[in-house]
Amino acid sequence: NAGVTQTPKFQVLKTGQSMTLQCAQDMNHEYMSWYRQDPGMGLRLIHYSVGAGITDQGEVPNGYNVSRSTTEDFPLRLLSAAPSQTSVYFCASSYGGTGNNEQFFGPGTRLTVL
Amino acid sequence: KQEVTQIPAALSVPEGENLVLNCSFTDSAIYNLQWFRQDPGKGLTSLLLIQSSQREQTSGRLNASLDKSSGRSTLYIAASQPGDSATYLCAALANQAGTALIFGKGTTLSVSS
Repeated sequence: NAGVTQTPKFQVLKTGQSMTLQCAQDMNHEYMSWYRQDPGMGLRLIHYSVGAGITDQGEVPNGYNVSRSTTEDFPLRLLSAAPSQTSVYFCASSYGGTGNNEQFFGPGTRLTVL
Repeated sequence: KQEVTQIPAALSVPEGENLVLNCSFTDSAIYNLQWFRQDPGKGLTSLLLIQSSQREQTSGRLNASLDKSSGRSTLYIAASQPGDSATYLCAALANQAGTALIFGKGTTLSVSS
């Protein structure tokens, strides 16, 4: 199994540009999430999905859109990039629920917005 | 609002030492607690998950404990090695849907040979 994969690994954007960060998992996990990691702030939840067709907002959703058309994929869209969105983005997946709900993370995408 | 704190922020030890990393959370109503390791410029690697009904979990030289009533978890690393140098993050699962982890800011460990 490849686990959780993310593309691209690095990206530089200009203010106002749009892009999509890709995330895929091959573990048949229902739950998928996007986090951003910033120095001094730790990891914060952006959006999450509990299954295909179902998404919801996390702690810091502004400026980001998500959709979940398949179990495997959960892309994160930046419609109009801003310098405040410079960060490292991590995708995570899990079986869900509150029991043995171990979450697995991808390698991250480092985004710089100029 | 759940908050997770890790102390100390950084720790340096000589090789072979046993050490404890601390994690505290403000709301005892957590569903599980997960410890991760993060190497510089890399993603998060899951180390141990402790469900709310459990008191501890062990994997090799690692042992994690959970005390919900006091709002604390510890990660014990036995016989530390230079390869253990990394940032260690704890995260509390704060919602019943099982979707939102609340992270501490981490403890950066350096083990010298």
